[in-house]
Amino acid sequence: QKEVEQDPGPLSVPEGAIVSLNCTYSNSAFQYFMWYRQYSRKGPELLMYTYSSGNKEDGRFTAQVDKSSKYISLFIRDSQPSDSATYLCAMSEETSGSRLTFGEGTQLTVNP
Amino acid sequence: GAVVSQHPSWVICKSGTSVKIECRSLDFQATTMFWYRQFPKQSLMLMATSNEGSKATYEQGVEKDKFLINHASLTLSTLTVTSAHPEDSSFYICSTLAPRGSTDTQYFGPGTRLTVL
Repeated sequence: QKEVEQDPGPLSVPEGAIVSLNCTYSNSAFQYFMWYRQYSRKGPELLMYTYSSGNKEDGRFTAQVDKSSKYISLFIRDSQPSDSATYLCAMSEETSGSRLTFGEGTQLTVNP
Repeated sequence: GAVVSQHPSWVICKSGTSVKIECRSLDFQATTMFWYRQFPKQSLMLMATSNEGSKATYEQGVEKDKFLINHASLTLSTLTVTSAHPEDSSFYICSTLAPRGSTDTQYFGPGTRLTVL
């Protein structure tokens, strides 16, 4: 069983839709939770990071962590075609900068 | 956030040859850098953690004699794939550890696509 599970999609939505991306994990020692966006043939770009349970909002993006359920989410409001990319969740035990375990990534397409 | 570059962005080589990939931290002195490998439609897999001035720490299953890592300065880490074979063809990505708010975060380079013929 993988430590981090993420539905690879693909996920296709119309422009303006609310997108929900999710990951589940099995390692209860994970404390830091990140979401990265990766465009094709590019390196991942950090979108959000959260420590422990709770919500964090940054513009159109909201990250949620439920440690009791070992479940994290990323919501994208008013999605744009430029949001089309692969979204990777990542987690670590010690700090947001230590050894990261990634999900498989969800491929998102926002159609104009 | 920190700016990370990689060179080359893509490389094609013959089986049995060695390839060196450079990872540079352009605006931050990085004590720690990470090397990842990503196969098509798969996630990033950590290969090794590179610490300036000391030996790299390799993940289980990664051959340290095949993937040589050198972190000779605070701005440069190199990954050399020795005696490359077609199964080594992949997307290699480095990251540096830099402060973000009250904690450290990994900032990734643009990646190097290696194709071994």
